[in-house]
Amino acid sequence: SAVISQKPSRDICQRGTSLTIQCQVDSQVTMMFWYRQQPGQSLTLIATANQGSEATYESGFVIDKFPISRPNLTFSTLTVSNMSPEDSSIYLCSAVRSSYNEQFFGPGTRLTVL
Amino acid sequence: GENVEQHPSTLSVQEGDSAVIKCTYSDSASNYFPWYKQELGKRPQLIIDIRSNVGEKKDQRIAVTLNKTAKHFSLHITETQPEDSAVYFCAASKGTSGTYKYIFGTGTRLKVLA
Repeated sequence: SAVISQKPSRDICQRGTSLTIQCQVDSQVTMMFWYRQQPGQSLTLIATANQGSEATYESGFVIDKFPISRPNLTFSTLTVSNMSPEDSSIYLCSAVRSSYNEQFFGPGTRLTVL
Repeated sequence: GENVEQHPSTLSVQEGDSAVIKCTYSDSASNYFPWYKQELGKRPQLIIDIRSNVGEKKDQRIAVTLNKTAKHFSLHITETQPEDSAVYFCAASKGTSGTYKYIFGTGTRLKVLA
């Protein structure tokens, strides 16, 4: 299995600011994803982080609000821009190796926007 | 669009009894079906998975069954223990025949009563 770390683990931010979340995987993976999980809810896919190219966003999520980078095979960032209290959630990254479809999740970043 | 329905949303069982959680998927091209366990404040952890060329898979007290014709798959936990209490998510994916994107069910909160 892959070991995935995220930074920060939690943050409290002011409305209108931005936060960048980092995701690091311990070995090369094919796919990396970013999810949002509201308290007591399921996981909602934000986007697929593509290495060296623009991320692929799901319906309801746009690049201006959630810019994503993936400069190499083991690292990705998600920025939550111009935050509002509605952005308060847990943000998780995940990774997949091409040899198997199994997704491993990072520990999550708990974001609170005041 | 692609959809995964999961039932029940909550399930309470007595310790030692069995628990069954059911999911139905909409995309007939789905070929990989993982189950995740998420304890409070923790990341989702893969507990078992099944591919579309297999009808059943078992790992100790946990088993998963798949009915491709009906597009149903189920998680079975036998001899439940208090530490099985958590939220369980099913997911469906097209794996190597498409993206590795997962569509998650809405989750089942399992409580095992001692």
